[in-house]
Amino acid sequence: DSGVTQTPKHLITATGQRVTLRCSPRSGDLSVYWYQQSLDQGLQFLIQYYNGEERAKGNILERFSAQQFPDLHSELNLSSLELGDSALYFCASSVGVAAETQYFGPGTRLLVL
Amino acid sequence: AQSVTQLGSHVSVSEGALVLLRCNYSSSVPPYLFWYVQYPNQGLQLLLKYTTGATLVKGINGFEAEFKKSETSFHLTKPSAHMSDAAEYFCAVTPLGGAGTALIFGKGTTLSVSS
Repeated sequence: DSGVTQTPKHLITATGQRVTLRCSPRSGDLSVYWYQQSLDQGLQFLIQYYNGEERAKGNILERFSAQQFPDLHSELNLSSLELGDSALYFCASSVGVAAETQYFGPGTRLLVL
Repeated sequence: AQSVTQLGSHVSVSEGALVLLRCNYSSSVPPYLFWYVQYPNQGLQLLLKYTTGATLVKGINGFEAEFKKSETSFHLTKPSAHMSDAAEYFCAVTPLGGAGTALIFGKGTTLSVSS
């Protein structure tokens, strides 16, 4: 158990809908990262927050947004969902801001029908 | 752009045999290097990492990896495979060494272990 929790574990929704994925980092970790894992793209970095502020951005679509709250949990919002958004979404956390060990949560499996 | 190449999407070994999973990276600045393992329906677990210093890194579950700058490689090895090692393995880098943040992952290698 990494200490990172993600909810829900599974999510099934329809095209055009909006969903929110939630992540709680390990106790004491200030950075939260979101990654997408799909069969065709592999594991891709989406976005990082550090202590409530956006720190780095990767291949995140404009339809996707995230935020980190004062209690350090983070939410990833996915809107106008398309079939191609079906994937496993991982959250990871680390103590600091750069190049440290990232601890991964169990992931949220999203299926868009 | 930074990239990570894992040679061989599938590797099959017999129990007790040597495990060798290959990883090469492209980076103009020495990166930090990581190996993660993913068991079915689970998240990623860190096996080992290289930042600076000794180039031979020992990790959990008997795995080790050697950073070879001249070959831009970070291959993962284990002397004797166990059935429980069957999983998917990912090599990852943070470009720019300590200044990097996000992990860049390879495509992954699925390790199968037969009895």
